Amino acid sequence: QGHLQESGPGLVKPSETLSLTCTVSGGSVRSGSYYWSWIRQPPGKGLEWIGNIHYSGRTNYNASLKSRVTTSVDTSKNQFSLELSSVTAADTAVYYCARANYFYYYMDLWGEGTTVTVSS
Amino acid sequence: QSVLTQPPSVSAAPGQKVTISCSGSSSNIGNNYVSWYQQLPGTAPKLLIYDNDKRPSGIPDRFSGSKSGTSATLGITGLQTGDEADYYCGSWDSSLSAWAFGGGTKLTVL
Repeated sequence: QGHLQESGPGLVKPSETLSLTCTVSGGSVRSGSYYWSWIRQPPGKGLEWIGNIHYSGRTNYNASLKSRVTTSVDTSKNQFSLELSSVTAADTAVYYCARANYFYYYMDLWGEGTTVTVSS
Repeated sequence: QSVLTQPPSVSAAPGQKVTISCSGSSSNIGNNYVSWYQQLPGTAPKLLIYDNDKRPSGIPDRFSGSKSGTSATLGITGLQTGDEADYYCGSWDSSLSAWAFGGGTKLTVL
C-alpha cells in the first residue's frame, strides 16, 4: 500500500526558501507508474495543487507558483522534495505530499501533512 | 477562483442521500477523468472515487461517482455522522497542463 511522510522546518522567515522532503516507504520512488505530488492547504481554505515530478525528471507545476517552485527526486533515499522560494505569509499552509497515477493524475496515497508557518 | 466549481456546503439527515456537484469545462472534466477526495476534520485528504466512478479498495459502495459532459457528481447514500467532512473534486486540466481541485464542499449530517 505504501506510506508517505513529510518532513521539514515548521517555521520559515519571509523572503526565505521553504524546503520539504517526502519519504516514501512500502514502494519505490523509481516506479514509472506514479508522479510524486505536492499539495497545500492554507488555514481554513481548500486544497491547492503545487506540482508533481516523475522520477525521470518530468514535471508539471501550478502556473501561479511555477516561478518559485523546484522539485526533485532522490532515488538513493527514496525521497522527493519541494523548494518554494521567496515565501510570504500567504505561503503559510499545511503541505501534503501525495502519490499520483502517472496516466490520470489522481492522488491515491497522501502523507499526513506538515504545517509550515511563514513569519519573522 | 477554482477552475472546478462546487457548492460550499450541503446537508442532509442521517440515513438520507446527498449529492455534491462539480462543474468544469471541456479542458478538464469534459475530456479527463474526475476523482473525489474526502477530508475528515484535522486529517489528510483520502481518495474516494477515481476515473469518474471507480472506488478504491476499502471504500464502501455508499459512495458513488458519475460524470456527464463537463460536470461530475458524488453521491453518498445511507448518510452517517462519520461522513461529515469536506469533499473535493479534482481533474487534470489539459489547457493549463495542471491538476485542478474544486473549492470543496462541507457536508453536514444533521
